Amino acid sequence: EAAVTQSPRNKVTVTGGNVTLSCRQTNSHNYMYWYRQDTGHGLRLIHYSYGAGNLQIGDVPDGYKATRTTQEDFFLLLELASPSQTSLYFCASSERQNTLYFGEGSRLIVV
Amino acid sequence: GDSVTQTEGQVTVSESKSLIINCTYSATSIGYPNLFWYVRYPGEGLQLLLKVITAGQKGSSRGFEATYNKEATSFHLQKASVQESDSAVYYCALSETNSNNRIFFGDGTQLVVKP
Repeated sequence: EAAVTQSPRNKVTVTGGNVTLSCRQTNSHNYMYWYRQDTGHGLRLIHYSYGAGNLQIGDVPDGYKATRTTQEDFFLLLELASPSQTSLYFCASSERQNTLYFGEGSRLIVV
Repeated sequence: GDSVTQTEGQVTVSESKSLIINCTYSATSIGYPNLFWYVRYPGEGLQLLLKVITAGQKGSSRGFEATYNKEATSFHLQKASVQESDSAVYYCALSETNSNNRIFFGDGTQLVVKP
């Protein structure tokens, strides 16, 4: 069965702090995504990638960097975290236009 | 651009009653988009509930149904008799039949089933 694993599951950091969220998929999918989910906004796409070394900008990229180091691993980087980035973050993988497989989410609180 | 609209932020239904969660979409490509319903149970990630890729067809899963209505650009989710275990957040989504593999989500509808 498809598997997407996120870490950490929960993180608290201070304003200006540096945070890395990790995502690993064992599905052999080419596409990987980072979303944030906030009440009243649904899922908003931050960055996505269609292969190792590739990065595409999503709808809400400001304040976020991402890197796809291998087909399996996709990282989301917050280099100067702000309270507005407090959110629930989901990673997902897919093949072209097919079902998204999500991780269980990473809850980030920036104080 | 492409978008998905779910008008209800929360729906409350008594157990064994029927349910409808509304979803309409706007797609810019000439072809037909793929339409999805995802569900997020408390404490879990999102998972696919059902998917339909052909206009006019119906998808079904776990007692839920949704029909791809191209004329009305709708993909409403229905269930004849809900259970307390159906309480979750339901997301309607669309993917375009073009090269960028973007997937667009609605804001989600929280379903609360009262015993």
